[in-house]
Formats: sequence, structure tokens, C-alpha cells
Amino acid sequence: KNQVEQSPQSLIILEGKNCTLQCNYTVSPFSNLRWYKQDTGRGPVSLTIMTFSENTKSNGRYTATLDADTKQSSLHITASQLSDSASYICVVSLNTNAGKSTFGDGTTLTVKP
Amino acid sequence: DTAVSQTPKYLVTQMGNDKSIKCEQNLGHDTMYWYKQDSKKFLKIMFSYNNKELIINETVPNRFSPKSPDKAHLNLHINSLELGDSAVYFCASSQGQPTNTGELFFGEGSRLTVL
Repeated sequence: KNQVEQSPQSLIILEGKNCTLQCNYTVSPFSNLRWYKQDTGRGPVSLTIMTFSENTKSNGRYTATLDADTKQSSLHITASQLSDSASYICVVSLNTNAGKSTFGDGTTLTVKP
Repeated sequence: DTAVSQTPKYLVTQMGNDKSIKCEQNLGHDTMYWYKQDSKKFLKIMFSYNNKELIINETVPNRFSPKSPDKAHLNLHINSLELGDSAVYFCASSQGQPTNTGELFFGEGSRLTVL
């Protein structure tokens, strides 16, 4: 069982709408959590990073939250655009070991006009 | 001036052949990685090198052999290709040791298809 689980697996929304993606993790000891965006046919690109003491981090229309007690994170996308269509991957790092970070399976978001 | 570049982007080959994928980063990072992304889009680490030294070697068949001539390059050679090797292979780099929480910078991926 993957120690980083994302939901939903896929999501379709209309342009301009908001959406929230979820990430639950069981890995420990926790170091940091990143959200990556992967466009089709491209490599993942980091959107946000949060450490244990951070509850929220924003990057434009993307806002990530972290609850280290419940081991949950969410990525909220505001006023979605067609270019937001991509896979969003949650990555949790242990003991500051980026090389052995645990990747979630990703959520595939499709934004329709 | 691509930060992490890998070649080739697409590779189609027959079972049993040997092939290589090259990766170069111009970010000055100390650590480079190879990841495999299967059809289910799950990214799995294969290898990690820090300053040309192998740091992480996950359970990968020994048909896969990474080579790092210098810290800016990490190439992946695959012997006796099998159907199950078909996937997208991503090179990545980060600053400092793998023990640091460095952001991973990924290449565009190399799609390998074994027929």
C-alpha cells in the first residue's frame, strides 16, 4: 500500500471553477511535503513546499494546506484555467532525504471550457 | 538553456537490444536521479548520484547501469531490453546531498517503447 495516497484519482471541472485535491500520508518521520504539477508529456514541476511548521503556502492561484497532526494536505486551485489541466503529484520527504521521497499516484485534473 | 535535458525524447527498440539515455543538468546541482514512470503514471526512483558517487540504488534489475562521468551528467544504460522496460524515464537533479530537502528539477522525460 502506497504511503502517500491522493484523491480523487481524476477530476473534471469547468473553466473558472475552483477545486481541491487531497493528499493523505502515513510516512514518518515527516520532513516536508511538495506538490508537483506534471503537464502531459512533460516532467513534474514543483508548485509548493511545506515543512512541519507551515500550515499553508500559496503560489498564485494554487494554495496548499498541511495538517501535520492528521497527516493530510490539500491543494486548492482557484478560478481554474484550461492550462491547469495536468497531473498533480503529492511528494512527502522523510528525514530530509529528497532522493527517497515518497510519491503519490497523482490526481489527473481536466479543465473544460 | 534547458535546466535538465535528456536525450533521446523517444526511443523505440526491439527486445534484447541495449540502449542508453543521456542526461545533463546546467543548474550546478550536486545530486542527480533517474526515475521511472509506468503506464499508471506512478513515479519510482531508480538511482541517485551525488558528485558522481552512487547514493541510492533501488531494487532495479542489474540490466540497468547508471554512469556519471561528472556531476553534471548521469546516463542510463539498459542491457537486454524487455517488454516491461517500456516506460517514461525521467532524469532529475537537486542541490546538495539527497539528505537535503532540495526541490527536484525534472527533465522532459524519455519515452522508451520496447517491441
